[in-house]
Amino acid sequence: SYELTQPPSVSVSPGQTARIPCSGDSLPKEYAYWYQLKPGQAPVVMIYKDNERPSGIPERFSGSRSGTTVTLTISGVQAEDEADYFCQSADISGTYPVFGGGTKLTVV
Amino acid sequence: QVLLVQSGAEVKKPGASVKVSCKTSGYTYNNYYMHWVRQAPGQGLEWMGVINLSDGNTVYAQRFRGRVTMTRDTSTTTVHMELSSLRSEDMAVYFCARGEGSSWLMDYWGQGTLVTVSS
Repeated sequence: SYELTQPPSVSVSPGQTARIPCSGDSLPKEYAYWYQLKPGQAPVVMIYKDNERPSGIPERFSGSRSGTTVTLTISGVQAEDEADYFCQSADISGTYPVFGGGTKLTVV
Repeated sequence: QVLLVQSGAEVKKPGASVKVSCKTSGYTYNNYYMHWVRQAPGQGLEWMGVINLSDGNTVYAQRFRGRVTMTRDTSTTTVHMELSSLRSEDMAVYFCARGEGSSWLMDYWGQGTLVTVSS
């Protein structure tokens, strides 16, 4: 089991908005990060410190938090966004990093 | 340009050890940490541990203590992760990921190294 909980899959049509939640007891205390993972490629940081977007990441990616849940939102989803997305934070004592189980985003 | 280039795929027998390398370039090596994360087939990401590239200090995830060793070679700006007593459950893609000291962000990742454990 994972200390952060994500839905296994989310499906949206092109142009729609995808929301991927991630919940965990440590989230009120620790920043959250989001990574995109495509087969055969290195993971890429999409969001850091809850809602900051690295340079080069499209503006359609955003992050938010509410209590014990953080959410990755992709507005105007494109086919190229189809990938696995993982949230990451730290354990409740802030001692080590933890990941969610990952969410497969399918663009149908 | 920050680059983390990992060594190639490995096939090992149960009980053997594997050593995966991560060659870094494009940044000041000593100012960062290096995490190791793995992904088993069909599974999520699992943190294995981290090494401080400045002083070589390590912190390992509890489930890997006694089996994992992370080292650094400052002369070649390379980081190594060795996992011993391999079992079938260790079959996974292993990633190195650069970390900063002030947060748990892993901002650059290697391309991954597939380790197959099979008799």
